[in-house]
Amino acid sequence: GAVVSQHPSWVICKSGTSVKIECRSLDFQATTMFWYRQFPKQSLMLMATSNEGSKATYEQGVEKDKFLINHASLTLSTLTVTSAHPEDSSFYICSARDIGGVTDTQYFGPGTRLTVL
Amino acid sequence: RKEVEQDPGPFNVPEGATVAFNCTYSNSASQSFFWYRQDCRKEPKLLMSVYSSGNEDGRFTAQLNRASQYISLLIRDSKLSDSATYLCVVNTVGGNEKLTFGTGTRLTIIP
Repeated sequence: GAVVSQHPSWVICKSGTSVKIECRSLDFQATTMFWYRQFPKQSLMLMATSNEGSKATYEQGVEKDKFLINHASLTLSTLTVTSAHPEDSSFYICSARDIGGVTDTQYFGPGTRLTVL
Repeated sequence: RKEVEQDPGPFNVPEGATVAFNCTYSNSASQSFFWYRQDCRKEPKLLMSVYSSGNEDGRFTAQLNRASQYISLLIRDSKLSDSATYLCVVNTVGGNEKLTFGTGTRLTIIP
């Protein structure tokens, strides 16, 4: 199946710093990637839809100036958590939709665990 | 009301047993339905898509009832490796791959 990678897999940072997370589709092109967040014992919540070459679409309640998304190529989207605070600590997961696939399936990256001290 | 509702469990069942999970969704315009499996501290992995006609993949059977807005997953002859959280997932807008996840049902298979 299609492979999506994320980097880093985990990060610990001090409050107030910015953290960049990369999401790559390794063997397919993805015009659309998605960013999710999952808090402990909760479901995945869609944060934003990242579209190659255009602005991301944010879900209600997600601050676009805090969670900066850039989708500069068909295989890479980045999420930058600016001025991170402890409440931003979470499991961030990206997914990518294979535009060349037979079915419209989203493939998930392994996730990035962010801990803000 | 949540868009996708699941019984969070936990379900603790003996190895070899049959277990069934249910899920309801609120948006009647939902187009696509899936069951994902998520292991602890890992990303979700697609288990199977769910079709109106019902579909089976080995020990797993999924059913969709559009009239009742209800989805089910049946696992037969459960294995220890089936222990995981099972997520009911709905594509809430046709043509737009916006997936809405249920909170998941935790399953533990007991030896």
